[in-house]
This record gives sequence, C-alpha cells and structure tokens, in this order.
Amino acid sequence: ILNVEQSPQSLHVQEGDSTNFTCSFPSSNFYALHWYRWETAKSPEALFVMTLNGDEKKKGRISATLNTKEGYSYLYIKGSQPEDSATYLCASENAGNNRKLIWGLGTSLAVNP
Amino acid sequence: DGGITQSPKYLFRKEGQNVTLSCEQNLNHDAMYWYRQDPGQGLRLIYYSQIVNDFQKGDIAEGYSVSREKKESFPLTVTSAQKNPTAFYLCASTSKKSGAIQEQYFGPGTRLTVL
Repeated sequence: ILNVEQSPQSLHVQEGDSTNFTCSFPSSNFYALHWYRWETAKSPEALFVMTLNGDEKKKGRISATLNTKEGYSYLYIKGSQPEDSATYLCASENAGNNRKLIWGLGTSLAVNP
Repeated sequence: DGGITQSPKYLFRKEGQNVTLSCEQNLNHDAMYWYRQDPGQGLRLIYYSQIVNDFQKGDIAEGYSVSREKKESFPLTVTSAQKNPTAFYLCASTSKKSGAIQEQYFGPGTRLTVL
C-alpha cells in the first residue's frame, strides 16, 4: 500500500448502533497514525495519535486500535449518537526529520436519530 | 482563547490575480502547514514551515508561495501560475518538540473561488 486508504467512504447508521471503519496505511517508514474528526462547518480535531503496534486508545464511546505490521487501524464508535455525525480522517505520519502526514479521504458518518 | 485563525472564510478573485490567504496562531507552535482540499481527494500538503524564516515545499507547491517571518504567521500566496486555484485551503500548526508526536491544530479554512 502506497497511500492511506479508508473504508467505507460513507456510512449511515441509526442512533444507538455501534460501528467501525478502517484505515490502511504503508507499513514501511511508519512513525505514527492519526485519527481526526471533522464536523461540518468546523475545523478538523484530533482524536488519537498512535505509534506502537497493538496500541489501543479510547475517548468516551470512541476507541481505536493499531496494527503496524499489517498497516491498518480501526476506529470504533459504540452506541452512535447524532452528534457523532462527521467525517473521520486518518493520516499516516512518516519517520525522519521532516515528518509529514499522508491523509486518507475520510469516512463520512451520518447517525440518524 | 488560543487557536488558529484564517481569514477570510470566503474569497473570490478574478483569474490571473495573485491572492494571499492569512493564517495566524497564538498557540506558540513551531510548525505550520498549508493544505488544500478538493472534492474526492484527501488533504494535500502545499507548504510547511518548522521554524521561523524556513519553509519546505509539500506535495503540490507549484503556483504557491509562503513566508514565515514571524512564528505566529504563515501566509500563503496563490499566484496566477496556479492552474486550478479554486479549492478549500486549511492551515494547521503543531508544536515540534524533539522526538514527540504532536497532533495538528487546524484553522477554520478559507474557500477560494477564482472566477
């Protein structure tokens, strides 16, 4: 994998459903994996930054896992609420002095009340 | 309140005119970034600066120029050489502590439309 790929592209769920989406990234020259939430008319906000294989992070009903060996990360939302509706972006950060983020296209989540 | 400001929110320009987008941060962050977003594409890096008076080209720097004369300011000029300037532009910043991973803080963005 040369680019960061996210799936699905969009997702519609009912309030209360749990959901998850995937981020695939190049495993070579890897430094960190970032997840951001981007709500409409707002700025992207950082959710998690993970570096180590097997890392798991949690913030309220949202959690994420990281597998650096196979190059993927999952984001889970438990009991989705309408306020979770947003685009969830992941970005892979490369190792080296000039660290940059390579961004996926995002997963657009809509939670219906 | 600390944060990043971008102005204006919407900007219209005639083809062939240069235009400068402002980005200011009061977070005392060392590094600043300019991204461009187009429909169906991820955020693409235009330029970034890790320290005052220094900046590097990103992946799509052609037709753009930047300056970093002050730590808190990183203006982006979209020149007439940029073939397709209509896009949404996001500025971000991060603290560049050695060896540490820093999340990026984003401004609200500027939507530039070239007529």
